[in-house]
Amino acid sequence: NAGVMQNPRHLVRRRGQEARLRCSPMKGHSHVYWYRQLPEEGLKFMVYLQKENIIDESGMPKERFSAEFPKEGPSILRIQQVVRGDSAAYFCASSSTGVDAGNTIYFGEGSWLTVV
Amino acid sequence: KQEVTQIPAALSVPEGENLVLNCSFTDSAIYNLQWFRQDPGKGLTSLLLIQSSQREQTSGRLNASLDKSSGRSTLYIAASQPGDSATYLCAFLTSGTYKYIFGTGTRLKVLA
Repeated sequence: NAGVMQNPRHLVRRRGQEARLRCSPMKGHSHVYWYRQLPEEGLKFMVYLQKENIIDESGMPKERFSAEFPKEGPSILRIQQVVRGDSAAYFCASSSTGVDAGNTIYFGEGSWLTVV
Repeated sequence: KQEVTQIPAALSVPEGENLVLNCSFTDSAIYNLQWFRQDPGKGLTSLLLIQSSQREQTSGRLNASLDKSSGRSTLYIAASQPGDSATYLCAFLTSGTYKYIFGTGTRLKVLA
């Protein structure tokens, strides 16, 4: 099954550590999106990437958060110096072309980050 | 500010009932609207995608409608089953953007 694969599924970090979340899009998909779901809140857009390019990072916190989608390998969402407020589910999604072209977006199972 | 409101926030019904989940959104310039299902600790599964030029979509026991003028969408589930228990999320995409705006969902529990 070539669905959107995220790992790790669950991650526990102490305050101040770094968290790295990985996402492999569906086969043939070159568009990746990251969303964050805080407890009791809806999913919020973070960043949209195509291979080697960040297209829209308007939803990313200005500090400590970064994302990349290299030519080879998975997309990485990196959170430096994590704080308790970063505890959330982070969802990756992919599409074959941009979703504004009417294509369906496919979500992964999510990575649940807990900061202790 | 773009917002999506889903009512009710939670719903518990006996098996076999037909039910309606409501979604209202603030932006009339939507490109499409999707209904998703989310099981606890799981990702999102797309149920129905309605383009802005469409008024409804159907898949099996599910029917979703879209009324752009009133900023509303409904998801109709016929003959509900315990396996339908999940959180149902509504999200819309505005023309020219890549960001889906999500509601906080309706938590549905269908009792056997």
